[in-house]
Amino acid sequence: NAGVTQTPKFQVLKTGQSMTLQCAQDMNHNSMYWYRQDPGMGLRLIYYSASEGTTDKGEVPNGYNVSRLNKREFSLRLESAAPSQTSVYFCASSEGGLTGTGNTIYFGEGSWLTVV
Amino acid sequence: RKEVEQDPGPFNVPEGATVAFNCTYSNSASQSFFWYRQDCRKEPKLLMSVYSSGNEDGRFTAQLNRASQYISLLIRDSKLSDSATYLCVVKPLDSSYKLIFGSGTRLLVRP
Repeated sequence: NAGVTQTPKFQVLKTGQSMTLQCAQDMNHNSMYWYRQDPGMGLRLIYYSASEGTTDKGEVPNGYNVSRLNKREFSLRLESAAPSQTSVYFCASSEGGLTGTGNTIYFGEGSWLTVV
Repeated sequence: RKEVEQDPGPFNVPEGATVAFNCTYSNSASQSFFWYRQDCRKEPKLLMSVYSSGNEDGRFTAQLNRASQYISLLIRDSKLSDSATYLCVVKPLDSSYKLIFGSGTRLLVRP
């Protein structure tokens, strides 16, 4: 029962390198999200995809790009990594919009990224 | 000012104790409220939604006070397995896809 799977789990990058975080969900959810979590701060939304074919900026989109490859997959790309992007990244999905208390967001296990 | 504020703790309590966490939010137009649990180096998981009338799930009770803009979580008869960080989460009215997360309150339950 995989749920939301993200890879890689750990990555060290040098400043200026690029990389893509992959995310896939097997729950047939319409909406997918990328968050980052930093010490002393709550999770912050980077980008989200309300449905296949759409993407929108969240709270902290600068320095990132996303692709909703199909209904299952939503990738996050760092084109030129910076030390400020050192963080834990969580992919998540939900059946649809989060309106109402019945709609739950499910998270992947996280990707620990260090930029040196 | 953060949109959702929590005491970071840690709250260090003995097994069997009752412990309460509060969370305040700044946007009076917030629509939905949740408590998530996050274990060390793991992903957040929904613990419970918070309803206007208050709600209970076993040893956990959540309360919402819209007038004062705060949410509370009460844990009775604490277990060692309750040790985790508890995240207060608010969904604003103006977006169907955005959640605002507090930075979390850490709970340590000791034997």
